[in-house]
Amino acid sequence: QQQVKQSPQSLIVQKGGISIINCAYENTAFDYFPWYQQFPGKGPALLIAIRPDVSEKKEGRFTISFNKSAKQFSLHIMDSQPGDSATYFCAASKDGANNLFFGTGTRLTVIP
Amino acid sequence: KAGVTQTPRYLIKTRGQQVTLSCSPISGHRSVSWYQQTPGQGLQFLFEYFSETQRNKGNFPGRFSGRQFSNSRSEMNVSTLELGDSALYLCASRIGRSGSEKLFFGSGTQLSVL
Repeated sequence: QQQVKQSPQSLIVQKGGISIINCAYENTAFDYFPWYQQFPGKGPALLIAIRPDVSEKKEGRFTISFNKSAKQFSLHIMDSQPGDSATYFCAASKDGANNLFFGTGTRLTVIP
Repeated sequence: KAGVTQTPRYLIKTRGQQVTLSCSPISGHRSVSWYQQTPGQGLQFLFEYFSETQRNKGNFPGRFSGRQFSNSRSEMNVSTLELGDSALYLCASRIGRSGSEKLFFGSGTQLSVL
């Protein structure tokens, strides 16, 4: 059973546009929600992460929005660039159990 | 500071064989985790080692095992390989065991089982 559901599976955005990827979870014990970026031939790299005590976190062009009551969180990439073309994974974990449950990934393509 | 190093980068085996993958964490990192990545199942947690002890295990059969050495380096072993074991095996390290500590991934070992 997929503990973290991610959509869409793929996304094509024009350069300068906003990319939005959504995730949902069921386990209310999750208290750490990171987003990872993976380029072909590389391992995932942490992009940004959030705890459920805040509703939004911004780092540069990347923003996580978190809705605790709906058990949903999303990644917004502002001013998307061709260099952002990669696969993005949301994930969740419970404090004290440090294994991450990953979403199935979103392949983002930013066209010039 | 060198990143997480995994060897070999690519591996081809046949069904029934066994394989050992190696991981060198970032210097100073004591926790090493292993994940399996496949197109169908995505990224799935295999196990985590800290101070040479397995601390957490995912939902994989006993054919998957691992160990950690005193220098924090880790190995993962898969016995009696099956076609479905073909995957990218990722090693990740962090300083301690807190779930919210940054996890650093290696580039993985691509295993193909024929």
